[in-house]
Amino acid sequence: EAQVTQNPRYLITVTGKKLTVTCSQNMNHEYMSWYRQDPGLGLRQIYYSMNVEVTDKGDVPEGYKVSRKEKRNFPLILESPSPNQTSLYFCASSERETVFYEQYFGPGTRLTVT
Amino acid sequence: KNQVEQSPQSLIILEGKNCTLQCNYTVSPFSNLRWYKQDTGRGPVSLTIMTFSENTKSNGRYTATLDADTKQSSLHITASQLSDSASYICVVSADSGYALNFGKGTSLLVTP
Repeated sequence: EAQVTQNPRYLITVTGKKLTVTCSQNMNHEYMSWYRQDPGLGLRQIYYSMNVEVTDKGDVPEGYKVSRKEKRNFPLILESPSPNQTSLYFCASSERETVFYEQYFGPGTRLTVT
Repeated sequence: KNQVEQSPQSLIILEGKNCTLQCNYTVSPFSNLRWYKQDTGRGPVSLTIMTFSENTKSNGRYTATLDADTKQSSLHITASQLSDSASYICVVSADSGYALNFGKGTSLLVTP
């Protein structure tokens, strides 16, 4: 089944404890993105990747890191999480340029930082 | 600045009734417009995607329209069902760059 998977689905952590949210897609898509979704603000892009080893900042990259060492994986790293990073996070992928191609979203990761 | 505005913010309708959601945008140059359905706590799922040359597109009981001249789109839901309760998000792409422009969504509740 073609899908985007994320792990973990739920995470509660404390301020400053490094964490990684994994994202994997099995559709051989070139483009992958990370979004956060907050009440009243909608979806905002954190980082995106156009292909292996090619990443760039989205609208809200502060406090996040990403890497794209393999085409199928695009982990999101929070080096020192803070409470304002409490949010619902979505990974997404598209075959090629996201502005022109269909985008498929993962199931989401709900992160709480205390 | 590229913007996407959706209305209403929330809507409650009775099961079986029709409804229309609105999306106005200022994104330029325009490439395509998408409507997504997002169930609570889940990832958005695409309903329709329309390019400049398309002014209507259907997906079952969902029909999207696009007026590129006035920069407006609507999503019409026919004979609503309880499972239509969700957030509906309008997303507009510019014909350049890599980012999508997201609306904040319309929250629809269908009641028995």
